[in-house]
Amino acid sequence: KAGVTQTPRYLIKTRGQQVTLSCSPISGHRSVSWYQQTPGQGLQFLFEYFSETQRNKGNFPGRFSGRQFSNSRSEMNVSTLELGDSALYLCASSLAMGWEDGYTFGSGTRLTVV
Amino acid sequence: AQSVTQLDSQVPVFEEAPVELRCNYSSSVSVYLFWYVQYPNQGLQLLLKYLSGSTLVKGINGFEAEFNKSQTSFHLRKPSVHISDTAEYFCAVRGSQGGSEKLVFGKGTKLTVNP
Repeated sequence: KAGVTQTPRYLIKTRGQQVTLSCSPISGHRSVSWYQQTPGQGLQFLFEYFSETQRNKGNFPGRFSGRQFSNSRSEMNVSTLELGDSALYLCASSLAMGWEDGYTFGSGTRLTVV
Repeated sequence: AQSVTQLDSQVPVFEEAPVELRCNYSSSVSVYLFWYVQYPNQGLQLLLKYLSGSTLVKGINGFEAEFNKSQTSFHLRKPSVHISDTAEYFCAVRGSQGGSEKLVFGKGTKLTVNP
């Protein structure tokens, strides 16, 4: 079966712009989580969505937002981009929230802010 | 709240040598534990998980880990590594109570296998 698909794979944006990243979970998975990965901070949790509702949120400013659609696909948006937002953004899906099988990750979107 | 400490940021070893990547966690509740591997320019792949039961967990690619509740550790081991095991390894913990617990990752350990 198809894995978690993230688009685009690479993105270059200018400071002050906004960006939208997309994540299609594994078919049947209803929970989608987003993580930011940087060399300095490692993997940091952004938010988790289940049944189109944000169920859990990390400690990121309000410039970071997301949503989930009825088909479980999710998008995350970052407004007013800063240089420090350059990172690999990873999406992970699971059957349900807290599913003990863990999460299946996509290959990520590499965002570079210049 | 849970937290994870991976004690070594980098581990260099020679091919066919054994390796242990250390992970300690802190949590006030029962936890589920995971090890993930990340190859360059890729996402994370699940190596193995501990949910309950036997404390020795076997995963893919010949890796295994042992859950030690008294020492709050979940170290990853492989008896003989290959060049292809060169990657970054992440230990992660999630609370087992309720559905609102998030997955918390350690900072990662870069394993370099040299010929």
